[in-house]
Amino acid sequence: ETGVTQSPTHLIKTRGQQVTLRCSSQSGHNTVSWYQQALGQGPQFIFQYYREEENGRGNFPPRFSGLQFPNYSSELNVNALELDDSALYLCASSLPSGGASDTQYFGPGTRLTVL
Amino acid sequence: AQSVTQLGSHVSVSEGALVLLRCNYSSSVPPYLFWYVQYPNQGLQLLLKYTSAATLVKGINGFEAEFKKSETSFHLTKPSAHMSDAAEYFCAVSDPGGATNKLIFGTGTLLAVQP
Repeated sequence: ETGVTQSPTHLIKTRGQQVTLRCSSQSGHNTVSWYQQALGQGPQFIFQYYREEENGRGNFPPRFSGLQFPNYSSELNVNALELDDSALYLCASSLPSGGASDTQYFGPGTRLTVL
Repeated sequence: AQSVTQLGSHVSVSEGALVLLRCNYSSSVPPYLFWYVQYPNQGLQLLLKYTSAATLVKGINGFEAEFKKSETSFHLTKPSAHMSDAAEYFCAVSDPGGATNKLIFGTGTLLAVQP
């Protein structure tokens, strides 16, 4: 069984640029969540996709957007990058069954550095 | 709003000693509770979760946690620390009445194990 994978592992961008991060969910999982983990902090929920629709969003501006594809893989797009966007971006997948008790399985993350 | 507080951003124990990592939650209703571990340059791995069944939850690698509603706590313990337990540990909650299984994380506790 293949776990959650993310690409790229590291990325360096300059302020104002745009970036796309990719995530492949664990086999059979149709729900994908994205989190931002700043240095020394816990992960913060960005948004969740379920069956290609945004299913919930955290306190992030609209320049953070996403997509989910029919194979349940997902993208996180960030426009107009700011220095504070530098963080580890984590993708997590789950298979909805019990709702809020569903376990989320995390990928290794993408380390984004904005200069 | 739900929140999680992890007391002690850094904990150091000797190999073979008891590990105790503290987590307190704030929620109007008993939440679902999770402990995740993060090794350097990796994503998060689920150690255990509480979903309103048994209050004492056993997880992987010898860890366990006890849900205490009266103390709004979910502390993580392990009787005997191993060098391989050195990592960052995150406590998280989700809302049983929420539309998603999004997680709200604490700020983490970095566990060091001394030989």
